[in-house]
Amino acid sequence: GDSVTQKEGLVTLTEGLPVMLNCTYQTIYSNAFLFWYVHYLNESPRLLLKSSTDNKRTEHQGFHATLHKSSSSFHLQKSSAQLSDSALYYCALNTGNYKYVFGAGTRLKVIA
Amino acid sequence: EAAVTQSPRNKVTVTGGNVTLSCRQTNSHNYMYWYRQDTGHGLRLIHYSYGAGNLQIGDVPDGYKATRTTQEDFFLLLELASPSQTSLYFCASSGWGNTLYFGAGTRLSVL
Repeated sequence: GDSVTQKEGLVTLTEGLPVMLNCTYQTIYSNAFLFWYVHYLNESPRLLLKSSTDNKRTEHQGFHATLHKSSSSFHLQKSSAQLSDSALYYCALNTGNYKYVFGAGTRLKVIA
Repeated sequence: EAAVTQSPRNKVTVTGGNVTLSCRQTNSHNYMYWYRQDTGHGLRLIHYSYGAGNLQIGDVPDGYKATRTTQEDFFLLLELASPSQTSLYFCASSGWGNTLYFGAGTRLSVL
């Protein structure tokens, strides 16, 4: 079945350093959507980025990700971490049937 | 902006207790979902629905029932709560564009 892997459970970074959160996935469907959701403490999880287009960079709020179907990856990046980026980040997969598969999540902790 | 409202925000019950979590969305989305969030497991799908009267089983359905009474309202029922069901529960809805809109969550503790 479909699956999403986020290997890092916790990433701790110093403010100003680049962010890279890894996401790989498995699916037999060629037209899958990949998502990044962000969950700030005491708020609702919300969409950060989404893509279904191979090799196209998607950007929002300083974050970016590129879907690479050849390597089944959709890594989240940001050039410079801010304290306010501390949150739980989920990578998710949808194959068009309205059912989503989430990774285990990566907690990003940005320290001064 | 899509609105999904959950109630209660916090709930404490005892083992064997009966709990109902409520969710209402006001954006005419067809799909609604119940997830539980646990450290190390991420968001896991309990049940979902594509319309009033419809129910689909998710990935971790054991011990949970759900009912979609209207387009707007989706309920999660724990009829014999167990400590393993202590978790943070999220309701979500989706419509055109595949984006999920989440509620603020219900933190449930089963003692």
